[in-house]
Amino acid sequence: KQEVTQIPAALSVPEGENLVLNCSFTDSAIYNLQWFRQDPGKGLTSLLLIQSSQREQTSGRLNASLDKSSGRSTLYIAASQPGDSATYLCAVSGANSKLTFGKGITLSVRP
Amino acid sequence: GAGVSQSPSNKVTEKGKDVELRCDPISGHTALYWYRQSLGQGLEFLIYFQGNSAPDKSGLPSDRFSAERTGGSVSTLTIQRTQQEDSAVYLCASSLGLAYYEQYFGPGTRLTVT
Repeated sequence: KQEVTQIPAALSVPEGENLVLNCSFTDSAIYNLQWFRQDPGKGLTSLLLIQSSQREQTSGRLNASLDKSSGRSTLYIAASQPGDSATYLCAVSGANSKLTFGKGITLSVRP
Repeated sequence: GAGVSQSPSNKVTEKGKDVELRCDPISGHTALYWYRQSLGQGLEFLIYFQGNSAPDKSGLPSDRFSAERTGGSVSTLTIQRTQQEDSAVYLCASSLGLAYYEQYFGPGTRLTVT
């Protein structure tokens, strides 16, 4: 059974800092990995999708990497801003198409 | 273009009542998923539909839960005889297809069973 872990559960950083959010998964037989952002009381916003054959994806200040063989992904956020404060979730999809989610990392960026 | 929409946004019901939650996927998306987000369990898969294939119901927690998708578009998740442990946010997602495709989520329906 696939398990996804995100540690730590919460993170607080000062504005302007570059930061890395980690995600690990137990079964490397994945089709893709998605990073999502969730604001309080809202749904999920897809940030980046990495296919299993890819090593990284970039969107603006965000860069996500994938090391499938070791079961790890990182989300890099450059020059963090208070507006980046949210919960970040990673999820993996296997042949069964279901997303398995981590519990998320709640990020607070202090002005 | 329009994203995934869900209604109602909030639903408060008494224990034992039936509820229906609705999801309108992105136009042209053939795959539709339901997930549940609760404080204790995090986000968990419930069911998905892909085109005209039989749905994968493997995540439904009990036979009180059912879902249908009419005309390959709108989906309804029905919970019969609601229990307090059914209180959660129910999220719907859609994608162009299965497995390799990005899933896009709606805003969710917050269900509270009193």
